[in-house]
Amino acid sequence: QSVLTQSPSVSAAPGQKVTISCSGSSSNIGNNYVSWYQQLPGTAPKLLIYDNNKRPSGIPDRFSGSKSGTSATLGITGLQTGDEADYYCGTWESSPSAWVFGGGTKLTVL
Amino acid sequence: QITLKESGPTLVKPTQTLTVTCTFSGFSLRTSGVGVGWIRQPPGKALDWLALIYWDDDKRYSPSLKSRLTITKDTSKNQVVLTMTNLDPVDTAIYYCAHYGPNLFDYWGQGTLVTVSS
Repeated sequence: QSVLTQSPSVSAAPGQKVTISCSGSSSNIGNNYVSWYQQLPGTAPKLLIYDNNKRPSGIPDRFSGSKSGTSATLGITGLQTGDEADYYCGTWESSPSAWVFGGGTKLTVL
Repeated sequence: QITLKESGPTLVKPTQTLTVTCTFSGFSLRTSGVGVGWIRQPPGKALDWLALIYWDDDKRYSPSLKSRLTITKDTSKNQVVLTMTNLDPVDTAIYYCAHYGPNLFDYWGQGTLVTVSS
């Protein structure tokens, strides 16, 4: 069981907006940057958001990230069927120093 | 461009030691701030971070697996090696290596499936 808590699944219709949350504590999210990863079926994870709210080159602005206190949120607007994937948050746990991933959220675009 | 590729055995017997190698290109592990990490994913389950080695040879390990893991680098060969001792069927997973920049894993290998079975 991960120290970062994500809802197991979320669903929405094409064109709609969805948010995926990642809940932690002061020893991880509260004092460290959060990144988000998209894992399409059968593929390796891909960096989607870093430093809480920055997008790597090539990631469309339909994807956004935010952080407040000990929680982080990934937002996806204009949902497409190609967005169906597992989404993971990640950050450092301060003590002991270790990287942690959330348990993942499966997005279904109905 | 940055690429990483994992290699190693596909089948390992219980109690044996696993050695997986990450061969990378497009960056140097001599560059300040850079690292290479290992992450695994059991079938149908979540990502599980294992270890990270930095350019300066600093190392970090998953607390729950620390006693079984060793991560090393060969800068001249552009390789990072992870060894895991005393394997169990629950260690069956896809093992990924990834390029680490501060606070993110931005390039991932394709992963290699390791099955632990007698």
